[in-house]
Amino acid sequence: SQQGEEDPQALSIQEGENATMNCSYKTSINNLQWYRQNSGRGLVHLILIRSNEREKHSGRLRVTLDTSKKSSSLLITASRAADTASYFCATDPLSGNTPLVFGKGTRLSVIA
Amino acid sequence: DTAVSQTPKYLVTQMGNDKSIKCEQNLGHDTMYWYKQDSKKFLKIMFSYNNKELIINETVPNRFSPKSPDKAHLNLHINSLELGDSAVYFCASSFHRGNYEQYFGPGTRLTVT
Repeated sequence: SQQGEEDPQALSIQEGENATMNCSYKTSINNLQWYRQNSGRGLVHLILIRSNEREKHSGRLRVTLDTSKKSSSLLITASRAADTASYFCATDPLSGNTPLVFGKGTRLSVIA
Repeated sequence: DTAVSQTPKYLVTQMGNDKSIKCEQNLGHDTMYWYKQDSKKFLKIMFSYNNKELIINETVPNRFSPKSPDKAHLNLHINSLELGDSAVYFCASSFHRGNYEQYFGPGTRLTVT
């Protein structure tokens, strides 16, 4: 089935560094969304980028979308310990009444 | 105020039992969802309702039955629980069908022994 695949599966960085996570998907999409999940909590929506957009910013977050390569990246700048979480991409398929498809996530650890 | 709430937060039960998880959203959203997250953190859609109407029903055993008494509530009833049902179940809502951003509840950790 169509599914976003995040890369890397796990990432460990020092506080203050930038963190980049990638997402690849298989078929055409309406939009792509990024979510954060802190341990033991529900997912929190971070940003939505439409298929006709190439880049979007929200605070320290920067998301890019390359529909020709079917990939997206999430950049977190000047990371903080509180950014430690799992990050998921979710794709909205172009075809029909199809739900969001979530990837397996990237586990980010930011070490103080 | 909590936007999407679920009860209970933890549920430990024995195989063969029947249990329910309740979900309520106070956002005025039209669409609600149930997801299952397994031990590897993979999140899979189970059901979606739009204005009390079932619109998505993925390949889920018919032991799982969702019920939406009104558009603010979506409950999940599970019959004859099995060990493989152990997971975290998340309820979510969105403004409307069409894959808008989704708001998730805190999750219900179900453990079947």
